[in-house]
Amino acid sequence: QVQLQESGPGLVRPSETLSLTCTVSGDSISSYFWSWIRQPPGRGLQWIGYIHYTGSTNYNPSLKSRVTMSVDTSKNQFSLKLTSVTTADTAVYYCARVHGGWFDPWGQGTLVTVSS
Amino acid sequence: EIVLTQSPGTLSLSPGERATLSCRASQSLSNNYLAWYQQTPGQAPRLLIQDASSRATGIPDRFSGSGSGTDFTLTISRLEPEDFAVYYCQQYGSSPWTFGHGTKVDIK
Repeated sequence: QVQLQESGPGLVRPSETLSLTCTVSGDSISSYFWSWIRQPPGRGLQWIGYIHYTGSTNYNPSLKSRVTMSVDTSKNQFSLKLTSVTTADTAVYYCARVHGGWFDPWGQGTLVTVSS
Repeated sequence: EIVLTQSPGTLSLSPGERATLSCRASQSLSNNYLAWYQQTPGQAPRLLIQDASSRATGIPDRFSGSGSGTDFTLTISRLEPEDFAVYYCQQYGSSPWTFGHGTKVDIK
């Protein structure tokens, strides 16, 4: 059974870089595409982008200038970096496996608060 | 970008009733590439339906998806207590992939 677990700091200062890692268990990261999605408190879902184990990426244009995703096949992990964060980036960040465009399964999510 | 509009915003129903949720796309979705998710408070979304009408593994058959082009529907034939949640549609026919704003199904 595939499981995903997000990890990283829960608090980031404005203008700094948000960094998160997703650890995949029960499946090889080389088998699929992998994605990050976020949800501001009390609001809807926003797709951030996806990465393939080869390093191929596709980012949401609304975040593209600030987003970098990477993959570490030796650790079965993939990561997200979001630069120059503001309070608008406060959200629960989810990682998920991509199946032909839909997301299944999802990690439990991690709340990242941007605050000084 | 394709905008998904979900209606109604809130649906108040009783257990055992039928729920009909709508998702309308701003342009036609190629190959009907639409998914539905269920989210309960404090939990991650769970995939219910992919490709507009295919139930995901382990999803009860009281959940069904239909539609094509720009108009899609999620139907819950008889609401169980665990079905009261927020439901999101998502399109993956065109990048960037986008979600609707959700329909909350609450207990009447």
